[in-house]
Amino acid sequence: KQEVTQIPAALSVPEGENLVLNCSFTDSAIYNLQWFRQDPGKGLTSLLLIQSSQREQTSGRLNASLDKSSGRSTLYIAASQPGDSATYLCAVRAGGSGNTGKLIFGQGTTLQVKP
Amino acid sequence: ETGVTQSPTHLIKTRGQQVTLRCSSQSGHNTVSWYQQALGQGPQFIFQYYREEENGRGNFPPRFSGLQFPNYSSELNVNALELDDSALYLCASSPGSGGGYNEQFFGPGTRLTVL
Repeated sequence: KQEVTQIPAALSVPEGENLVLNCSFTDSAIYNLQWFRQDPGKGLTSLLLIQSSQREQTSGRLNASLDKSSGRSTLYIAASQPGDSATYLCAVRAGGSGNTGKLIFGQGTTLQVKP
Repeated sequence: ETGVTQSPTHLIKTRGQQVTLRCSSQSGHNTVSWYQQALGQGPQFIFQYYREEENGRGNFPPRFSGLQFPNYSSELNVNALELDDSALYLCASSPGSGGGYNEQFFGPGTRLTVL
């Protein structure tokens, strides 16, 4: 059974710091991995999608890496800003037979960037 | 291009009642997935619809049911509401067959409170 874990659960940093959020998963048979941002009480905004054949994806100040063999992904945020404060969720797209394409989520890392 | 929309935004029901939540998929997307997100948790997969057929189901009881219409919009119905059904219900759409490599795009969610 695929399980996704995110560490740390919460993180507080001063503005301008570079930071790394971690995501691990137990089954390497995935199609892809997606990182999302969620503001309080809101829906999910897709940040980056990494296909299983890729090693990393970049968008602006965000860089996500994927190491399928070790079951790990990281989301790197450069020069953090107060507007980056949110909960960040990673999700793997389950692979294998009978795949519905469902996403399996971690519990998220809540980030606070202090001015 | 219109994104994923959901209605209503908020809903309050009492135990034992029935509720219907609605989702309009993003233009050109024929697959819709529903997720339940309890407070402080990651979203949990409920089920997925592809071309009006259920295409996979998570670990939810039969009182959770759904429909997809020819225009690919979807409904989530929950019968005999329980207190634990209180959550944010998220709808996601994606192009293609539901499995595989396609990115999922989420709506803003419906906040359901069961009293």
